[in-house]
Amino acid sequence: DTAVSQTPKYLVTQMGNDKSIKCEQNLGHDTMYWYKQDSKKFLKIMFSYNNKELIINETVPNRFSPKSPDKAHLNLHINSLELGDSAVYFCASSGLDGTPNTEAFFGQGTRLTVV
Amino acid sequence: DQQVKQNSPSLSVQEGRISILNCDYTNSMFDYFLWYKKYPAEGPTFLISISSIKDKNEDGRFTVFLNKSAKHLSLHIVPSQPGDSAVYFCAATYSGYSTLTFGKGTMLLVSP
Repeated sequence: DTAVSQTPKYLVTQMGNDKSIKCEQNLGHDTMYWYKQDSKKFLKIMFSYNNKELIINETVPNRFSPKSPDKAHLNLHINSLELGDSAVYFCASSGLDGTPNTEAFFGQGTRLTVV
Repeated sequence: DQQVKQNSPSLSVQEGRISILNCDYTNSMFDYFLWYKKYPAEGPTFLISISSIKDKNEDGRFTVFLNKSAKHLSLHIVPSQPGDSAVYFCAATYSGYSTLTFGKGTMLLVSP
């Protein structure tokens, strides 16, 4: 009964491929996020969705496209993968009953390696 | 442009002693601060938070102190235990904005 689960945990792929990372939360939260932890260990926000609507899109290449089929799911699709996309990607969620709650719960992370 | 800074990449402490992890921020709009703990191959887990209307928040062995004038916060763990060994991230946000700005993390090692 994991609160925020993302799959796969590890992903190794070649440059130029297209891949997706899935995320699901069973906490009833309204807001979901994708964060990226790069080689310098910085955790940075990429996208934020509230009730299936995109509310934040930081400076991220348009090869990255989030999709939220419902408020419990936020998937991340990456086109034409590049070496620099190698990182750990974390899904997170926060918020109950429409009230912003800044205590975010994180998934276990997906380590993406582009070769 | 790092808005949240954790200048100590690592800290070693003996079991039973106090661990003090520091965090500085530059954005005056931040009014809510959080500490997360992260074990290898796991996602960050929420530890403790503090609102800017307070200068201290305590939860068991963990206490967070906030000095708004200095734009500085610290996490105190006492007594430290080997199971506390992890990377600790400081994070900040502000009212009406739910995403978090993280520091780079401090790796804490508590030795028996």
